Amino acid sequence: DAKTTQPTSMDCAEGRAANLPCNHSTISGNEYVYWYRQIHSQGPQYIIHGLKNNETNEMASLIITEDRKSSTLILPHATLRDTAVYYCIVRVGGTGKLIFGQGTTLQVKP
Amino acid sequence: GAVVSQHPSRVICKSGTSVKIECRSLDFQATTMFWYRQFPKQSLMLMATSNEGSKATYEQGVEKDKFLINHASLTLSTLTVTSAHPEDSSFYICSAIRPGFYTDTQYFGPGTRLTVL
Repeated sequence: DAKTTQPTSMDCAEGRAANLPCNHSTISGNEYVYWYRQIHSQGPQYIIHGLKNNETNEMASLIITEDRKSSTLILPHATLRDTAVYYCIVRVGGTGKLIFGQGTTLQVKP
Repeated sequence: GAVVSQHPSRVICKSGTSVKIECRSLDFQATTMFWYRQFPKQSLMLMATSNEGSKATYEQGVEKDKFLINHASLTLSTLTVTSAHPEDSSFYICSAIRPGFYTDTQYFGPGTRLTVL
């Protein structure tokens, strides 16, 4: 079973920041949080991952709480092309397996 | 650009035939690859872990004799759906672990749409 819970859906206005929350209260100390997104009928696209420090790349920022029980993915200026299902995943330690939950469907609106 | 490719992107076959799907890591060597399938409006479900030079490890409930996995080289894993039936129609997606300096990252292929008539 997936170790994360996410809201089923969210809306965001184009040009605004999209903040996608994720709860992972049972995460272990050596488990990473990964974020992927899937646009309809395509393979998942890697976005970002982190262990305990906040991370930023050209796509997004990842904010992880100090107790590591939750995190937030931030898309700083959402565009219509960011409409997708976003998956927050805690990678199974030692195996590399990614167990997908239901994700959050983000709808970016004009 | 894409770092993992799949072939074919789409395949239609008759019931009872076998279908082979290829997954390639394009610019890195992947000792470990994974196979997922996804039914309409559902999330990805992990089917198996493909390890180069050894037998695949299947998730509970996945028939190993039906879904044959071969990982003969560090850049290629294949999934063969044997004696396919309409209920095997699905979106099959592979992924490969790309080693990194501190941590590795898993990249996904574009998927293969299988339709069994």
